[in-house]
Amino acid sequence: KQEVTQIPAALSVPEGENLVLNCSFTDSAIYNLQWFRQDPGKGLTSLLLIQSSQREQTSGRLNASLDKSSGRSTLYIAASQPGDSATYLCAPQMNRDDKIIFGKGTRLHILP
Amino acid sequence: DTEVTQTPKHLVMGMTNKKSLKCEQHMGHRAMYWYKQKAKKPPELMFVYSYEKLSINESVPSRFSPECPNSSLLNLHLHALQPEDSALYLCASSPPGTTNEKLFFGSGTQLSVL
Repeated sequence: KQEVTQIPAALSVPEGENLVLNCSFTDSAIYNLQWFRQDPGKGLTSLLLIQSSQREQTSGRLNASLDKSSGRSTLYIAASQPGDSATYLCAPQMNRDDKIIFGKGTRLHILP
Repeated sequence: DTEVTQTPKHLVMGMTNKKSLKCEQHMGHRAMYWYKQKAKKPPELMFVYSYEKLSINESVPSRFSPECPNSSLLNLHLHALQPEDSALYLCASSPPGTTNEKLFFGSGTQLSVL
């Protein structure tokens, strides 16, 4: 059974800092991995999707990397802004058409 | 229209009430989902409809009854709920050929069962 761990559970950093969120998963035979963002009491927004054959994906100030063999992914946020404050969830998918498995998330607070 | 719309945004109901949650999308997506999310926990998949047919039921209690009347609409009928069913209920949809992969989420219905 796939287990997803996200560290840290919560993080507060001053505005402007670069930061890294970590995700680890126990079964490395994944199909893909996504990073989602969730604002309090709201739905989820997909930020980046990395296919199993890829090493990283970039979108603006966000960069996600994937090391399948070690069961790890990181989300790098450059020049953080208060608007980045949210919960970030890592979510691998084992096979096409299988359900996504969510980690518990990292609650990020960017201090103005 | 690139949104998944859920109504109502908030719902308070007693344990003997019957209520329904609604979800609508007009993006031509043919897979629609219900998720349940407790506070500070990740979303848990409840049901998946693919081409208006129920394809996944994650052993959800029968007091939750999904319905997909057409390709744009997904309902969740609620009856005899328990206080522990209080949660954020999220609807999602995905484009054809991307079931469970490219998910577009609504903003959710915050449900309180008294």
